[in-house]
Amino acid sequence: QKEVEQDPGPLSVPEGAIVSLNCTYSNSAFQYFMWYRQYSRKGPELLMYTYSSGNKEDGRFTAQVDKSSKYISLFIRDSQPSDSATYLCAGSEAGNQFYFGTGTSLTVIP
Amino acid sequence: KAGVTQTPRYLIKTRGQQVTLSCSPISGHRSVSWYQQTPGQGLQFLFEYFSETQRNKGNFPGRFSGRQFSNSRSEMNVSTLELGDSALYLCASSLRPVDSPLHFGNGTRLTVT
Repeated sequence: QKEVEQDPGPLSVPEGAIVSLNCTYSNSAFQYFMWYRQYSRKGPELLMYTYSSGNKEDGRFTAQVDKSSKYISLFIRDSQPSDSATYLCAGSEAGNQFYFGTGTSLTVIP
Repeated sequence: KAGVTQTPRYLIKTRGQQVTLSCSPISGHRSVSWYQQTPGQGLQFLFEYFSETQRNKGNFPGRFSGRQFSNSRSEMNVSTLELGDSALYLCASSLRPVDSPLHFGNGTRLTVT
């Protein structure tokens, strides 16, 4: 079993929709979580960095961590065509070696 | 502030050769990590360096090695290349070795023929 599991999609939504991206993890010791956006032929771009449980909001993005169910989510409000990319989640126990999901491909249709 | 810089962007090598990839971290970042990204496996951790010392190593064979210099720049080396080493190699820097997010470069795309 991989440390972090992520539905690969693809996910296709109309412009302006709320997008929900989800991951599950197996290691209950994970405390640090990250979400990245990766465009084709580019490196991952950090969107959110969270510690422990709860919600964190940054502009149109909200990250949610539920440690009781080992579930992490990223919500994108008012999605734009420029949000079309692959989204990666990651978790870590000590905040150094991170385990990544394989990514969810998102397309936002104008 | 300049981001993480990786060189070269693309490399084509033949089986059995060796290759060295370079990474310059964000100014002030002292921790550098390397990841391999493939379509099937996603991002897999190779190793992490801080203050010229390897702190963590992933589950890769000894053909994969790295080092960090006093200016925090890092290199990774892959010897005796195999076809399966074809991947995007990503370098990430962070301010501290723990409790600090990773900032990635655009990677080096290695193709082994």
